[in-house]
Amino acid sequence: EAQVTQNPRYLITVTGKKLTVTCSQNMNHEYMSWYRQDPGLGLRQIYYSMNVEVTDKGDVPEGYKVSRKEKRNFPLILESPSPNQTSLYFCASSLSIPGLAHEQFFGPGTRLTVL
Amino acid sequence: AQKVTQAQTEISVVEKEDVTLDCVYETRDTTYYLFWYKQPPSGELVFLIRRNSFDEQNEISGRYSWNFQKSTSSFNFTITASQVVDSAVYFCALSPTGANNLFFGTGTRLTVIP
Repeated sequence: EAQVTQNPRYLITVTGKKLTVTCSQNMNHEYMSWYRQDPGLGLRQIYYSMNVEVTDKGDVPEGYKVSRKEKRNFPLILESPSPNQTSLYFCASSLSIPGLAHEQFFGPGTRLTVL
Repeated sequence: AQKVTQAQTEISVVEKEDVTLDCVYETRDTTYYLFWYKQPPSGELVFLIRRNSFDEQNEISGRYSWNFQKSTSSFNFTITASQVVDSAVYFCALSPTGANNLFFGTGTRLTVIP
């Protein structure tokens, strides 16, 4: 089954304790992205990757890191989480063909609470 | 800069009523794509439609229809004969051609009352 998986689905942590949210896709997609969803703000892009070893900032990258060492994986790293990073996080993937914008497939979401 | 506005924060309708969700966008790009996604209470994001800025034909899929008007920068979504299962948050999004990045509106929460 074609899918994007995220782990963990729920996480409660404390300020300053480093954490990683994993994201994996099995559709051989070049493009992957992270979004956060907050009430009244919709979804905002954190980071994206056009392909292996190629990453770039989205609209709200502060406090986050990513890496793309393999095509299928795109982990999101919070080195020192703060309460304002409490949010619902979505990973997404899609094909990447120049000049086109494709449907993005989203993971199930990770609800993060930072105390 | 890209911007998507969904002015309707919440809408409630009685089952079988028709409902239109508004989406207005701003972009300086001459070509772009528009999307609608559905987020049911279970939380996942479900793709509904993708529309190229060159294609202003309206689209119908079952009870769903979309009206794209470039002149007013709008891409509205109508559900005909609404059902309780249509209750969800609906997001409109914009992607500049050449990039996959999605710029989302703030969403419209639709509640269909039985």
